[in-house]
Amino acid sequence: DAGVIQSPRHEVTEMGQEVTLRCKPISGHNSLFWYRQTMMRGLELLIYFNNNVPIDDSGMPEDRFSAKMPNASFSTLKIQPSEPRDSAVYFCASSLGLPQHFGDGTRLSIL
Amino acid sequence: QKEVEQNSGPLSVPEGAIASLNCTYSDRVSQSFFWYRQYSGKSPELIMSIYSNGDKEDGRFTAQLNKASQYVSLLIRDSQPSDSATYLCAVNREASGTYKYIFGTGTRLKVLA
Repeated sequence: DAGVIQSPRHEVTEMGQEVTLRCKPISGHNSLFWYRQTMMRGLELLIYFNNNVPIDDSGMPEDRFSAKMPNASFSTLKIQPSEPRDSAVYFCASSLGLPQHFGDGTRLSIL
Repeated sequence: QKEVEQNSGPLSVPEGAIASLNCTYSDRVSQSFFWYRQYSGKSPELIMSIYSNGDKEDGRFTAQLNKASQYVSLLIRDSQPSDSATYLCAVNREASGTYKYIFGTGTRLKVLA
């Protein structure tokens, strides 16, 4: 079975550019989570969707970050404008209840 | 106080020994507990889940939960160099009606050949 699929795997872009990260959850899962991981702060939950509806976005760092889930099989995390401090690995995870299963992540570098 | 605390390590153990990883949590309402293994440059991989007090064994792994003392631990028997990774503890408070985790910062394990 296909796991959580994220794209792109790596993204390098210049400060000020718009960045869009994509996630396809495991088929049948109804919860989707976006995380950011850095050495300093570890794994942080950014936003959590249940049945395509955002339930908790308290971890979204600021208005430059936005996330959507237009249907059960697709979600995006957008950063506009991007800043060097946004450089991190971004993971998407999905679940049907518990537990969560992670995608391979997107390694984002903002120059 | 952090909601979920782990010693960052590194915890170094010789090959064949038992590795013991610990995690404490602050919220007594917490219901479900998970251990993830993360190799360098890879994504977290679920290795154990535990929901009730006591021990749960799966192969070389044993998870132990003590809700009264608010800790959960992971024992790895017959440790192998391939077990060298960061182990993340995650806690869920189902009573909140969500499936959100709180993660610890992880313990780095090094198994010496």
